[in-house]
Amino acid sequence: QVQLVESGGGVVQPGGSLRLSCSSSGFSFGSYGMHWVRQAPDKGPEWVAFIRFDGTATFYADSVMGRFTISRDNSWSTLYLQMNSLRREDTALYYCARDGVLGNFPNQFDLWGQGILVTVSS
Amino acid sequence: DVQMTQSPSTLSASVGDRATITCRASQSIKRWLAWYQQKPGKAPRLLIYKASILERGVPPRFSGSGSGTEFTLTISSLQSDDFATYYCQQYDTYFPTFGQGTKVEIK
Repeated sequence: QVQLVESGGGVVQPGGSLRLSCSSSGFSFGSYGMHWVRQAPDKGPEWVAFIRFDGTATFYADSVMGRFTISRDNSWSTLYLQMNSLRREDTALYYCARDGVLGNFPNQFDLWGQGILVTVSS
Repeated sequence: DVQMTQSPSTLSASVGDRATITCRASQSIKRWLAWYQQKPGKAPRLLIYKASILERGVPPRFSGSGSGTEFTLTISSLQSDDFATYYCQQYDTYFPTFGQGTKVEIK
């Protein structure tokens, strides 16, 4: 079954860290660029980060640049998001998503996980 | 960043109606635009990419058009399953951005 499953969310204090994982199955993970997209309560989606299929290039939204790091392990078909210096405004449902084009840059998102909740609160 | 603005924010319509949602970009994005449908508690679902190409499995009552800065999503005859929130997303730059959403509700 083609799917993405996120894990690692939870409640963390402001200034804290958290690492999200996204396990994939049913497709050739190492052929696709991957994204993290988040959605705050009652808000629209916000793109967070992209990593090229081979991990050699990454792009970040300004709001997380320098605090979040996207990475991947193609041998384990898994995507990661290391989140440091977390702020209250980082509270959101975090989705991993597959890029819809076998290319090197962000495009449309054609496969999404179910999302994992991150709450930043004291 | 490229700003995406959708209108209307809410669209009230009945089953069988034609629904049209507009998305405007703050600069030309050529045809690098996607549309998504989202239902409560679910992840967004890709409907259309490259402004007008229907994703596999999406019913043909959905269609997209436009280029440059103005785009349209049309649902030719609303079905009960179509009441949801719709988002546009640009990918002309390395930094994708979404519109704020249009909620299609039952009149």
